Amino acid sequence: EVQLVQSGPEVKKPGESLRISCEASGYRLTRYWISWVRQLPGEGLEWMGSIDPSDSYTTYSPSFEGHVIISTDEARDTAYLQWSSLKASDTAMYYCARHGGVVRVPVGLEDYYYSYMDVWGIGTTVTVSS
Amino acid sequence: DIQMTQSPSTLSASVGDRVTIACRASQSVDTLLAWYQQKSGKAPNLLIFGASSLQTGVPSRFSGSGSGTDFTLVISSLQPEDFATYYCQQYKSYSPYTFGQGTKLEVK
Repeated sequence: EVQLVQSGPEVKKPGESLRISCEASGYRLTRYWISWVRQLPGEGLEWMGSIDPSDSYTTYSPSFEGHVIISTDEARDTAYLQWSSLKASDTAMYYCARHGGVVRVPVGLEDYYYSYMDVWGIGTTVTVSS
Repeated sequence: DIQMTQSPSTLSASVGDRVTIACRASQSVDTLLAWYQQKSGKAPNLLIFGASSLQTGVPSRFSGSGSGTDFTLVISSLQPEDFATYYCQQYKSYSPYTFGQGTKLEVK
């Protein structure tokens, strides 16, 4: 069974660093992109950024670029989301999701690839409070 | 950015009702649109991809339609387990990927 196994809840103080994880189970992490999605308490879903684990290419939402880093460890089939200095406003649920649905669209002589998020982790709660 | 706007934000309905949720994109996303269901305290679950393709295991009472900028999610006969929040999301552009604000489906 394909799963994304996320690390457990975290309670941190402002200014502290943190890394949360997302382990691929039932498939090789390098096969599909991984995204991280934030959900503030009582709010909607916000895409933070994605990584292609096969070459570590990353892309971030402008809202999160410079504040978080997304990385992977191929040997551990694990993706990470990390902060160097947390803020109270980072208190949220964080989901990782696999881009397992890939669509190839030929345009002229080129192929374009698009992907949707088909498998999600159960989420990691991060609480930042002094 | 491609903005995604859902309507309504909240929908009150009863078991057995047919419900429709709309999603509009600020520019064309072709059919590169997904719908997710999120139950309280749970992770989102993929329902529909490619605007109208049902994900494996999703009941056939769910259907999606549309292309370009206007999309619809329909639940043909609401079941008790369908009360949840629903999100549309475009994957035409990852600069950035964007979700609608969500539609909360509640008991009437």
